[in-house]
Amino acid sequence: NAGVTQTPKFQVLKTGQSMTLQCAQDMNHNSMYWYRQDPGMGLRLIYYSASEGTTDKGEVPNGYNVSRLNKREFSLRLESAAPSQTSVYFCASSEVSGRYGYTFGSGTRLTVV
Amino acid sequence: AQTVTQSQPEMSVQEAETVTLSCTYDTSESDYYLFWYKQPPSRQMILVIRQEAYKQQNATENRFSVNFQKAAKSFSLKISDSQLGDAAMYFCAYRSADSNYQLIWGAGTKLIIKP
Repeated sequence: NAGVTQTPKFQVLKTGQSMTLQCAQDMNHNSMYWYRQDPGMGLRLIYYSASEGTTDKGEVPNGYNVSRLNKREFSLRLESAAPSQTSVYFCASSEVSGRYGYTFGSGTRLTVV
Repeated sequence: AQTVTQSQPEMSVQEAETVTLSCTYDTSESDYYLFWYKQPPSRQMILVIRQEAYKQQNATENRFSVNFQKAAKSFSLKISDSQLGDAAMYFCAYRSADSNYQLIWGAGTKLIIKP
């Protein structure tokens, strides 16, 4: 089925460890996004990529880096994980205008101990 | 800056009844898009319904409909014939039609369905 695929679904890291969250979409969307969701809160934008070859900071970019590998793939890297980065992470994609809404992956639950 | 407010942290409704979730937003723009997303316990974010600001007609998707009041900056979601599967967090979101790549999210409303 067409959609957005995120891996892994769950991850536990020790403080200071690094990891990369992978995201791929097969909807031929130009724009891709990484969000985090903390308990009792809505989604906060970490980084986005309006099109292949471009990335921009969102609301909460500190501690993260991203790579838009090609049109399909957009990865999120935590270089040195901190407990404050414990959250659920969502990748999403959309066509450029966003008028039809965003399609989300199923999320990654990350715990940093 | 645009903001989205969902004033009801939690709502409950009897199965088969109708419930309305509230959403208000603040913007100075005239062209934008509004969305309602559903997040069940599985945590998957699911688009329920969307509305384009320049369209006066309220959007409808099966049992889900919106009451879009542009002048009042209100975008409420009505769920008719509530079902147990409707139990979820519901998020209202705003997106500018201009060159702005941010969805602005409300804090969410938890909907409980009573059997």
